[in-house]
Amino acid sequence: AIRMTQSPSSFSASTGDRVTITCRASQGISSYLAWYQQKPGKAPKLLIYAASTLQSGVPSRFSGSGSGTDFTLTISCLQSEDFATYYCQQYHNYPRTFGQGTKVEIK
Amino acid sequence: QVQLQESGPGLVKPSETLSLTCSVSGGSISSYYWSWIRQPPEKGLEWIGYIFYSGSTNYNPSLKSRVTISVDTSKNQFSLKLSSVTAADTAVYYCARPAYYYDSSGYFNDAFDIWGQGTMVTVSS
Repeated sequence: AIRMTQSPSSFSASTGDRVTITCRASQGISSYLAWYQQKPGKAPKLLIYAASTLQSGVPSRFSGSGSGTDFTLTISCLQSEDFATYYCQQYHNYPRTFGQGTKVEIK
Repeated sequence: QVQLQESGPGLVKPSETLSLTCSVSGGSISSYYWSWIRQPPEKGLEWIGYIFYSGSTNYNPSLKSRVTISVDTSKNQFSLKLSSVTAADTAVYYCARPAYYYDSSGYFNDAFDIWGQGTMVTVSS
C-alpha cells in the first residue's frame, strides 16, 4: 500500500496567516491526490482533487500543488472557519490511503 | 443532490459481525461505485473497500479476510459486514461516493466527493 505522510501533525496559527501543509507519498502517484477538511463530529469535506483543482464551492484561499511524491495544501489567509483537521488521500492505487492528518489550531 | 445515510447497530459484541447499511437518496445507485471508510476515535481515515452497482468489489487487504460489501439496487442501498470484530474495530463508519469523472480540463477526479454523516460503532461486551 502507498503510505501518505503529512507534516506537521499539528500547529497553531492566527486568523489571517498563510499556512502550508505538506503530504508525501511513499511512491509516485502522478497528480492523483485529494485534500479534505474535517471538523469535529463531521464527515470530511473534499477541498481539492487532482492535486491542484479546487472542488466546486471551495473558497479560492485554498490551493494545492505538487505531483509525483510531494504535495502541498496552502491556505492563503486563514479564516476562523478553517480551523480543522486536513487529510491528504491518494487515488492512484488500491487500497486508497490517507495521510494521518494535520490539525490546525487557533494560536 | 445525492445524499448518503448510514444505519445499523451502535454496539457490537467482540467476535460478532458488524453490519451497516448505506441508503442512497437523490440519485440512483446504479451508476458510480460506492465505498466504506472508517475512523477510530481521535485517529485517521481508513478505506475499507468499494462495490460497483454490478456487484464487483475491491477490499483493503488489511481487512479483506473479514469484510463483505454487498449492494441491493432495488432498495438503492449497499451494505457492510465485518466479521470477528474486536475493540480495534471501534470507529465511526462512513459510506462515501468516489466522484469518478474527468473534469472539463481533463483532470481525473476519483476523490470522495459525497459522504454520509457517519455512524459510531463500539465493540464491547
